[in-house]
Amino acid sequence: GIQVEQSPPDLILQEGANSTLRCNFSDSVNNLQWFHQNPWGQLINLFYIPSGTKQNGRLSATTVATERYSLLYISSSQTTDSGVYFCAVSCWGKLQFGAGTQVVVTP
Amino acid sequence: NAGVTQTPKFQVLKTGQSMTLQCAQDMNHNSMYWYRQDPGMGLRLIYYSASEGTTDKGEVPNGYNVSRLNKREFSLRLESAAPSQTSVYFCASLRDRGQTEAFFGQGTRLTVV
Repeated sequence: GIQVEQSPPDLILQEGANSTLRCNFSDSVNNLQWFHQNPWGQLINLFYIPSGTKQNGRLSATTVATERYSLLYISSSQTTDSGVYFCAVSCWGKLQFGAGTQVVVTP
Repeated sequence: NAGVTQTPKFQVLKTGQSMTLQCAQDMNHNSMYWYRQDPGMGLRLIYYSASEGTTDKGEVPNGYNVSRLNKREFSLRLESAAPSQTSVYFCASLRDRGQTEAFFGQGTRLTVV
C-alpha cells in the first residue's frame, strides 16, 4: 500500500507563531486530505487537496502531486490549534493515514 | 443533515463478549470504512465497502466482521472481544473511490476488560 510519512512528529509553538507541517507519500494518489483531531478526539476536515493550493482563514495547504508531498501552513497560531494533524491519502479506495503531527500551542 | 453517525459512543465489554458497532450516513455515499485508532497512532483501516453489497479487508481485519446492510449503513462486529481490541473506532464515508472527500463519525471508544 501507499506509505505516508508526516513530519515533524511533535511541534511546540508559542501563540502567534507560524509553522509548516509536511506529508510525504510514496505513490500517485487521487485523494489527499488534512484533518485536525481535537483534544476530544473528533476528526475535523481541514482540506481536501489532491493538488494545488487552498486557504481557509489562518490555515493553508499546498499539494505537489508530481513530487508526492503536501504542506499544511498554520499562521498566527492559537491555543485552539492544539491537537494532532493527520494527512491521509488514497488511490482509488483505501484512505491511508500518516502517524500525525502532535501540535501544542502555548499561551 | 447529520453526516456520519456512530453508535454507541462509549462501550465497556468483558473479554469474550460480542458486540456490533453501528454506522449510518445520510449523504448518499457509496463507499464506507471502519478504522481503529490506538493511543499515539494514526488510523488503521479494518474493513471497507466500496459499494453496497461489497466488502474488503483492510490493514487489520483479524477479529472483526462487517456487514453493509444497505447503502446507508455499515456495521462492525466483534464476535469475541479481546483486550487488544481496546481502541477508538471511526467510521467514514466517501461518495465514491475517486476524487472525493471523506467524512468521519465522532468515534466509538471501546474498552475490553
